[in-house]
Amino acid sequence: GAVVSQHPSWVICKSGTSVKIECRSLDFQATTMFWYRQFPKQSLMLMATSNEGSKATYEQGVEKDKFLINHASLTLSTLTVTSAHPEDSSFYICSARGGQGRQFFGPGTRLTVL
Amino acid sequence: SQQGEEDPQALSIQEGENATMNCSYKTSINNLQWYRQNSGRGLVHLILIRSNEREKHSGRLRVTLDTSKKSSSLLITASRAADTASYFCASWNTGTASKLTFGTGTRLQVTL
Repeated sequence: GAVVSQHPSWVICKSGTSVKIECRSLDFQATTMFWYRQFPKQSLMLMATSNEGSKATYEQGVEKDKFLINHASLTLSTLTVTSAHPEDSSFYICSARGGQGRQFFGPGTRLTVL
Repeated sequence: SQQGEEDPQALSIQEGENATMNCSYKTSINNLQWYRQNSGRGLVHLILIRSNEREKHSGRLRVTLDTSKKSSSLLITASRAADTASYFCASWNTGTASKLTFGTGTRLQVTL
């Protein structure tokens, strides 16, 4: 089946720094990618939808200046958490939409902000 | 919030028993999907049921869909300890802004 990778799988950073997370579709092209956030023992909440070559569409309540999304190619989307703070600590999961509308999920990135 | 509700929130059963999880959603859908997530890991796609289908089987999984009630259920038969995980339903909404909306999830614990 289709594979989506994320890098890094986990990251620890100091408060105030920026962190970039990469999401790649390894064996298919994805015009649309999604970024989700998941707090412990909670469900996935969609943060934004990213379309290749255009600006991302953010869900209500998600700060676009805080969570920068770039989808520069059909196989790569990046999420940058700018000026991270402890409350940004979470599990970030991307997914990529492939053929026939199926969505394939990455393994997630655990961000811990000290 | 458009997030769907799942019940129970947590379910503990013994190996060999059946586990049933229910999901309700809020808007019209194209399809509904069920995912499994082991602790701290990514999502594994289990099964997809289209809006014009009422029941679907895959191995030990049985999914039903009632669009009139905006609800779905996932049945895992003859559960195993390895089935211990969180299970999420996700509805694919109709319309131009199609996207997956996840339910609140059910944490399943299967004990020996």
